[in-house]
Amino acid sequence: GDSVTQMEGPVTLSEEAFLTINCTYTATGYPSLFWYVQYPGEGLQLLLKATKADDKGSNKGFEATYRKETTSFHLEKGSVQVSDSAVYFCALSEGGGGADGLTFGKGTHLIIQP
Amino acid sequence: EADIYQTPRYLVIGTGKKITLECSQTMGHDKMYWYQQDPGMELHLIHYSYGVNSTEKGDLSSESTVSRIRTEHFPLTLESARPSHTSQYLCASSDGYSQLFFGSGTQLSVL
Repeated sequence: GDSVTQMEGPVTLSEEAFLTINCTYTATGYPSLFWYVQYPGEGLQLLLKATKADDKGSNKGFEATYRKETTSFHLEKGSVQVSDSAVYFCALSEGGGGADGLTFGKGTHLIIQP
Repeated sequence: EADIYQTPRYLVIGTGKKITLECSQTMGHDKMYWYQQDPGMELHLIHYSYGVNSTEKGDLSSESTVSRIRTEHFPLTLESARPSHTSQYLCASSDGYSQLFFGSGTQLSVL
């Protein structure tokens, strides 16, 4: 079945550091890929997505490129801020819409220190 | 702007009580979901619905039940709460293109 593996946290960085959160996936077809973010005390919100190979999703300075050859969708940001502290979830969908087709990773807790 | 609301935000109750967690969305989405989030942050799908009068169990077995009488409303009920039900419960709806819109969650503590 489908699965998503992301690096375990917590990941602790200093402000303005470069961020990478690794995400790899296993899927039978050609999934869409997502990053969701959960700020403290809140639900998840979509950060970015990519629907086909070589697509790059970007938002709020974060980027991730859909790499079919390495089955990866790593999240990057060039200079993190304290306000980026949150839990980040990588996810995939085989299509058709809906959470019954959406597989989440276990989440990576990111802590940014001033 | 996503409009999906959960109440209450926090609930502390005693063992054996019946509780209902409310979830409403104003986006007209047919698909709605309940997730349970453990302290390690992992998400577990416990219920979902494809529309009015449709309810299905998710990947994680749960003693809770849900109903979908109106499109906008998807409440979750525990008939007799136990300490093992202590968790964060997240409601979500889908626009049909794989994007989920989440509510802010209900943090339930059962003493």
